[in-house]
Amino acid sequence: GIQVEQSPPDLILQEGANSTLRCNFSDSVNNLQWFHQNPWGQLINLFYIPSGTKQNGRLSATTVATERYSLLYISSSQTTDSGVYFCGASGSRLTFGEGTQLTVNP
Amino acid sequence: GAGVSQSPSNKVTEKGKDVELRCDPISGHTALYWYRQSLGQGLEFLIYFQGNSAPDKSGLPSDRFSAERTGESVSTLTIQRTQQEDSAVYLCASSETSSYNEQFFGPGTRLTVL
Repeated sequence: GIQVEQSPPDLILQEGANSTLRCNFSDSVNNLQWFHQNPWGQLINLFYIPSGTKQNGRLSATTVATERYSLLYISSSQTTDSGVYFCGASGSRLTFGEGTQLTVNP
Repeated sequence: GAGVSQSPSNKVTEKGKDVELRCDPISGHTALYWYRQSLGQGLEFLIYFQGNSAPDKSGLPSDRFSAERTGESVSTLTIQRTQQEDSAVYLCASSETSSYNEQFFGPGTRLTVL
């Protein structure tokens, strides 16, 4: 099955800094999603982005399907951005990476 | 509209007991998925229902795990003779049609097997 790798595994920032999270996948995908897992464990949808570029406020994402990677950009980070970010990729069901633990310090 | 709901939110059981977890998908979503998240295994797929098609059970870890779905609505995940390694958060998701559509997750059921 498809393999999904995320990097970096951990990221510590000062408030206001920008960051880039990466997701590599091993095969062509029909679905790629980015999630933020909140402190209560719920997966919050950030982007559905099997290809192309999308922006939502301070967050944006780009997927280059032909090169099998996706990037999540967080600009002007805030303490509330802290948490685990997951990438999930799919042929027929989501396979998740191990996540990036983001800590934003005030 | 309402999102995916799951019940119970927490379940503590004794080893060897059976448990049932429930998922109510978003109304109109024909595809429903179960995943689980545990410390050692990360987020892993369990089972996928799509309309009236036979479910994709390829992620179920053992024959103690089973799931049913009533039409295009509620689903129950049953774990028989629970073991301590079954302790995890069980997440349900739904999407409009197939797995190619955006999946939306419920809040999960945290299962603890003593």
